[in-house]
Amino acid sequence: NAGVTQTPKFQVLKTGQSMTLQCAQDMNHEYMSWYRQDPGMGLRLIHYSVGAGITDQGEVPNGYNVSRSTTEDFPLRLLSAAPSQTSVYFCASSYRAPYNEQFFGPGTRLTVL
Amino acid sequence: AQSVSQHNHHVILSEAASLELGCNYSYGGTVNLFWYVQYPGQHLQLLLKYFSGDPLVKGIKGFEAEFIKSKFSFNLRKPSVQWSDTAEYFCAVNARSGGGADGLTFGKGTHLIIQP
Repeated sequence: NAGVTQTPKFQVLKTGQSMTLQCAQDMNHEYMSWYRQDPGMGLRLIHYSVGAGITDQGEVPNGYNVSRSTTEDFPLRLLSAAPSQTSVYFCASSYRAPYNEQFFGPGTRLTVL
Repeated sequence: AQSVSQHNHHVILSEAASLELGCNYSYGGTVNLFWYVQYPGQHLQLLLKYFSGDPLVKGIKGFEAEFIKSKFSFNLRKPSVQWSDTAEYFCAVNARSGGGADGLTFGKGTHLIIQP
């Protein structure tokens, strides 16, 4: 099993550009989520999904969009990148519910100029 | 909404010293509690978790944590640290409110440096 994979590992964008961060898992987990990690802030939940076709907002959803067309994939879209979105983004998945152990991907380091 | 407070943002210890990292959460209902570790340049890994039962839980690499419900605390301990324990440690909680899905609420992290 590859577990949770994320692409790309690094990305530099200009303000106003859009892009999609990819996340995939091969553990057949229903629950998937996106977090951003900022220095001194810990990890904050952006969006999550409890299954294909179902998504919901987390703590910091503004400026991000998600969809869940399959169990395996949960892409995160930045609609119009801003410097405040410079961060490290982690995707995570767990079996059936967020209160089970979550497995994290390796992260994407995004810089917005 | 739940919140998590980690008291120590930076901790420096010598090898073989004992470690205790504080974690308090605010939520009056049933919670699941986690400690994750992030080694330099790596993604988060689960150290240990508490769901129910024995409040003293043991995790990987000699770590343990004690859940004290009356104090809303879940402190992480290790009797003797090693240089390889240098990492960022995160306490996290998920409140098991009826039917609602959400995510983990993380503390801001503790940066632990072990000096040889």
